[in-house]
Amino acid sequence: GAGVSQSPRYKVAKRGQDVALRCDPISGHVSLFWYQQALGQGPEFLTYFQNEAQLDKSGLPSDRFFAERPEGSVSTLKIQRTQQEDSAVYLCASAGTGGNQPQHFGDGTRLSIL
Amino acid sequence: DQQVKQNSPSLSVQEGRISILNCDYTNSMFDYFLWYKKYPAEGPTFLISISSIKDKNEDGRFTVFLNKSAKHLSLHIVPSQPGDSAVYFCAASFFWTNTGNQFYFGTGTSLTVIP
Repeated sequence: GAGVSQSPRYKVAKRGQDVALRCDPISGHVSLFWYQQALGQGPEFLTYFQNEAQLDKSGLPSDRFFAERPEGSVSTLKIQRTQQEDSAVYLCASAGTGGNQPQHFGDGTRLSIL
Repeated sequence: DQQVKQNSPSLSVQEGRISILNCDYTNSMFDYFLWYKKYPAEGPTFLISISSIKDKNEDGRFTVFLNKSAKHLSLHIVPSQPGDSAVYFCAASFFWTNTGNQFYFGTGTSLTVIP
């Protein structure tokens, strides 16, 4: 498709389980971002990739969160030993090169930790 | 701390009238501002943006105004239509060449356009 694709759309996991969320950006977009959106809040930055390089991971809340983009296209956000506070919508966005560019978002993965 | 603030959680407007959504920010280094529209169970959709070198940008029914001295931006929708009913997020960024430009989002304003 032409847009950013995320899977799964919904994920339910038990506390302590590991989860993996996938993002397929717009073809040709070198910049890829992950955001976390809690209920009633705006998206909050987690991490940023330029091609395969993770240039900023300052927003990752703990070392249980890990992201990768090994071939500079598809990205995976992994959360280990999930906790209830990890419940949120995880949004992926991609952007083209050049100066200020709008980021284009996928529909997100809604993660619920029981 | 919240660097981008939307102080009105909700707004209701009659169809055909003007909708004005407001946003304030605290970091004077922000140089790029955007508005996103979000329907339930969908991701934010880019609506309109403005660079800090401008004070107005218009796209059809949507106009964004930027007041740098007041650290304030607004989105005007005229005329408002029922399909405009959604949550609107403002976002801001400053571009660092080596780390990209993460966006800082407000908490959103839910707009309801009444037919």
